Amino acid sequence: KAGVTQTPRYLIKTRGQQVTLSCSPISGHRSVSWYQQTPGQGLQFLFEYFSETQRNKGNFPGRFSGRQFSNSRSEMNVSTLELGDSALYLCASSPSTSTSTDTQYFGPGTRLTVL
Amino acid sequence: AQSVTQLDSHVSVSEGTPVLLRCNYSSSYSPSLFWYVQHPNKGLQLLLKYTSAATLVKGINGFEAEFKKSETSFHLTKPSAHMSDAAEYFCAFHRGNTGFQKLVFGTGTRLLVSP
Repeated sequence: KAGVTQTPRYLIKTRGQQVTLSCSPISGHRSVSWYQQTPGQGLQFLFEYFSETQRNKGNFPGRFSGRQFSNSRSEMNVSTLELGDSALYLCASSPSTSTSTDTQYFGPGTRLTVL
Repeated sequence: AQSVTQLDSHVSVSEGTPVLLRCNYSSSYSPSLFWYVQHPNKGLQLLLKYTSAATLVKGINGFEAEFKKSETSFHLTKPSAHMSDAAEYFCAFHRGNTGFQKLVFGTGTRLLVSP
């Protein structure tokens, strides 16, 4: 099976712009989660989508949003970019059978740099 | 609060010597715990997971971890380090009810392997 794919791998934006990142989960996986990784804050949970619905949300401002499509692919959007949004954004997918603790499988990430 | 603490930010070993990366958890219920590895400019790769089936968990690349409830620990070990093991390692805690896919990560331990 192909792994989790994320596009683009690298992005450079300027303050005030918005950005959309894409994630394709492993085939058959229904849950997609997003994490932000920075040197200062480490790995932090952004949100999780399951069956096109946001099921769980981390402690991030409303500028961070996401969605999931019927084929389980997910996008996350960051509006009005700030310098502090520079980070590696990781997407993870899991089967999410809803009755077990599923393993999350991570993609390679998108490196966002805000200038 | 439920969390994981990685006790060392850096661990240095020589090739061929044992590796010990320490992780303590705090949880009011039986946790699900994971170890992930991240090589430079890569996403997270699952090494192993504990979900209460067996306290000694074997993972990939010769790594294993032992869940010790009395010590609230889940330390990662490997009998003999290889140069390719140099990377950052993250202990993670699955937070939430079944069906909610949210990982809480430790701050990471950078493993340095010298020849």
